[in-house]
Amino acid sequence: SQKIEQNSEALNIQEGKTATLTCNYTNYSPAYLQWYRQDPGRGPVFLLLIRENEKEKRKERLKVTFDTTLKQSLFHITASQPADSATYLCALVRDDYKLSFGAGTTVTVRA
Amino acid sequence: DVKVTQSSRYLVKRTGEKVFLECVQDMDHENMFWYRQDPGLGLRLIYFSYDVKMKEKGDIPEGYSVSREKKERFSLILESASTNQTSMYLCASSVAPTTTNEKLFFGSGTQLSVL
Repeated sequence: SQKIEQNSEALNIQEGKTATLTCNYTNYSPAYLQWYRQDPGRGPVFLLLIRENEKEKRKERLKVTFDTTLKQSLFHITASQPADSATYLCALVRDDYKLSFGAGTTVTVRA
Repeated sequence: DVKVTQSSRYLVKRTGEKVFLECVQDMDHENMFWYRQDPGLGLRLIYFSYDVKMKEKGDIPEGYSVSREKKERFSLILESASTNQTSMYLCASSVAPTTTNEKLFFGSGTQLSVL
């Protein structure tokens, strides 16, 4: 069956450090993968998209990698700040163009 | 600025009631979606609409129906609410799938409690 697995544990890190989140998938062949940020009581907000032929994508302090051989995406927040505290969701596009989402990883950045 | 508006942030209903969740988008998007979000399960797709009066079942449509009479409005209907439908409901929209940049714009969600 198809599965998307994100870090099951919440991530607690010190301000200024790099947070690394993992998204692993099985039985998907996504043409692209997306990352969203969700704050408590709010809907997810799109952050980044990476295509299957791209190894890495950056946006400000965010970096995403996509390894189709390992079936894995890594999401990095560099020089983290307390304002980065949120839940981060990965989403894969299916063959029917719909997105399937992981359960998310909650990041807390301590000042 | 892009906006998806859900009519209620919180709703409390009784078992067996008919429940309407409303969603409006102002971006002239073709596609609209209803997801539910439960702890540990991620977002699960309930229904999808790609045009006015057009709809498709998602991954968990049982117990739900939808209505899209106008392009900007997509309603989720719980025909007879049950306690296992207590959840956060999220509406989203996107441009047509002919692009490869199919990011979703979400509303703020409706937390529904069925007692």
